Amino acid sequence: EAGVTQFPSHSVIEKGQTVTLRCDPISGHDNLYWYRRVMGKEIKFLLHFVKESKQDESGMPNNRFLAERTGGTYSTLKVQPAELEDSGVYFCASSQENREQYFGPGTRLTVT
Amino acid sequence: AQSVTQPDIHITVSEGASLELRCNYSYGATPYLFWYVQSPGQGLQLLLKYFSGDTLVQGIKGFEAEFKRSQSSFNLRKPSVHWSDAAEYFCAVGPSLGDDKIIFGKGTRLHILP
Repeated sequence: EAGVTQFPSHSVIEKGQTVTLRCDPISGHDNLYWYRRVMGKEIKFLLHFVKESKQDESGMPNNRFLAERTGGTYSTLKVQPAELEDSGVYFCASSQENREQYFGPGTRLTVT
Repeated sequence: AQSVTQPDIHITVSEGASLELRCNYSYGATPYLFWYVQSPGQGLQLLLKYFSGDTLVQGIKGFEAEFKRSQSSFNLRKPSVHWSDAAEYFCAVGPSLGDDKIIFGKGTRLHILP
């Protein structure tokens, strides 16, 4: 069974540009989560989808971040426009109802 | 507020020595507790978890952790470390009913001396 996959693994963009991160959850997992780790800080929750609906987006830092999950399968996280402080590692996780979240390898975003 | 504290940012041990990584949590109810590991260039891998029952839990790669409610701790242990254990380790708590987020500690980076 394939795990959670994320694309790209690494992205380097300039301040003011747009970047879109993608997450493919484990097949059959209705729950999809985004987390991020800014350098030197802890991994923090961004938002949670149940199928295509946003269940909790309390961790989204501001309106430059837009997450979607059309059709309840893969999800995208767009940052527009990117700022220097957005640099970090963005993790995606998915789960069924048993609460164990399976994490992807992360996307390392560098904003210069 | 729920929180997880990992007091050691870096720990260095010699290969073959025993290891204990500390974790304390603050949580309103009986927590779900986890330890994750991130090796260089890899994603987060679940080492072990505690939901209920026996307070000593066994995980992968020879790791174990003990839940101590009186001390609000969930320390990770391994009797003999291998060079391949060099990684960053995260203690985490949650999710709970009505709140599906996992709360992580800041991580402890483990260095292994040959």
